[in-house]
Amino acid sequence: EAGVTQFPSHSVIEKGQTVTLRCDPISGHDNLYWYRRVMGKEIKFLLHFVKESKQDESGMPNNRFLAERTGGTYSTLKVQPAELEDSGVYFCASSHRAGSYDNEQFFGPGTRLTVL
Amino acid sequence: LAKTTQPISMDSYEGQEVNITCSHNNIATNDYITWYQQFPSQGPRFIIQGYKTKVTNEVASLFIPADRKSSTLSLPRVSLSDTAVYYCLVGELSGGYQKVTFGTGTKLQVIP
Repeated sequence: EAGVTQFPSHSVIEKGQTVTLRCDPISGHDNLYWYRRVMGKEIKFLLHFVKESKQDESGMPNNRFLAERTGGTYSTLKVQPAELEDSGVYFCASSHRAGSYDNEQFFGPGTRLTVL
Repeated sequence: LAKTTQPISMDSYEGQEVNITCSHNNIATNDYITWYQQFPSQGPRFIIQGYKTKVTNEVASLFIPADRKSSTLSLPRVSLSDTAVYYCLVGELSGGYQKVTFGTGTKLQVIP
């Protein structure tokens, strides 16, 4: 079974540009999460999808960040316009069916974003 | 979300048992305790989860005292490949989802 995949693995952009990160969860997982770790800080929760619906987006830092999960499969996280402080590693995770208590989160390898 | 406190780092020799203790004084009644492991350049990986007493799987054991204000992850006979950061997370399970917050974690260095 394929794990959670993220694309790209590394992105380098200039301040003011737009970047879109993609996450493909494990097939059949309804729950999808985005996290990020900025330099030297802890991994922080950004948001949680159940299928295509945003269940909790309390961790989204500001309106420059837009997450989507059309069709309830893969998800994208767009940063527009990117700022220097957005640099860090963005992790995606998925977990089992909604309503199930099999809540282990499977993480992808992360996308390292560098904003110059 | 309950705040967790763990040692920042630990060293251990190969073959020894390692116990990492996490403090979570304000754990709520519905909170579960979950431990994740993270290797460099990888995402965190689930190790074990428990609510009270003792939980054991093929990788580790988790000891939770009656007051649940702390928990101890026990790794038997560690090897060099167990060198990683270990995170203790506390959060409520709701609808198949545990909202968690990662702390600083404990960086375990296994020495040959």
